[in-house]
Amino acid sequence: EADIYQTPRYLVIGTGKKITLECSQTMGHDKMYWYQQDPGMELHLIHYSYGVNSTEKGDLSSESTVSRIRTEHFPLTLESARPSHTSQYLCASSPRSGSSYNEQFFGPGTRLTVL
Amino acid sequence: AQSVSQHNHHVILSEAASLELGCNYSYGGTVNLFWYVQYPGQHLQLLLKYFSGDPLVKGIKGFEAEFIKSKFSFNLRKPSVQWSDTAEYFCALQSGGSYIPTFGRGTSLIVHP
Repeated sequence: EADIYQTPRYLVIGTGKKITLECSQTMGHDKMYWYQQDPGMELHLIHYSYGVNSTEKGDLSSESTVSRIRTEHFPLTLESARPSHTSQYLCASSPRSGSSYNEQFFGPGTRLTVL
Repeated sequence: AQSVSQHNHHVILSEAASLELGCNYSYGGTVNLFWYVQYPGQHLQLLLKYFSGDPLVKGIKGFEAEFIKSKFSFNLRKPSVQWSDTAEYFCALQSGGSYIPTFGRGTSLIVHP
């Protein structure tokens, strides 16, 4: 079982609210990712990080921001939530080397509903 | 740009039937290929991966996949499925040297006991 955690697991909020989705991993992985997952669709990359103080936008940055101040922590913030942000958000990490090189380890996800 | 196609979106089988899920990709260079599985209520997890060498790779729970470079394919197979194989299956590609995977849309597999 992967040591990657996401909180909250479920969140229902109103339009315009600012929210932060938390993601932490205890595996010491350098690379971390945020994906958006909708039923029957590809995982869309929102943001990624190669290490501390490194963040990049994916193909679906969706008006969100991330930070990577510590190796283990990679929170995602939506400044002003909209109904179009309703989705499942998955956090993942990946090691730089070793037998699991480039393998993605996923968290349990946060299911967000914006009313 | 690279892409991954999974043509079977929904597959329904009876226990003991054989399984083959298609995965085709578009990218002309070196590739790393993955199959991930998401069992109901669980995290996405790695099923198997191909980086180089033997194009027939074996994963957990009796699954295997074959990389056929000439067909740009990485199909997933299992000779005899079980009810516990009911899950979503995702094929993914990483081009050589890239840390960013591209995922397919996934295939929902339901196995009837």
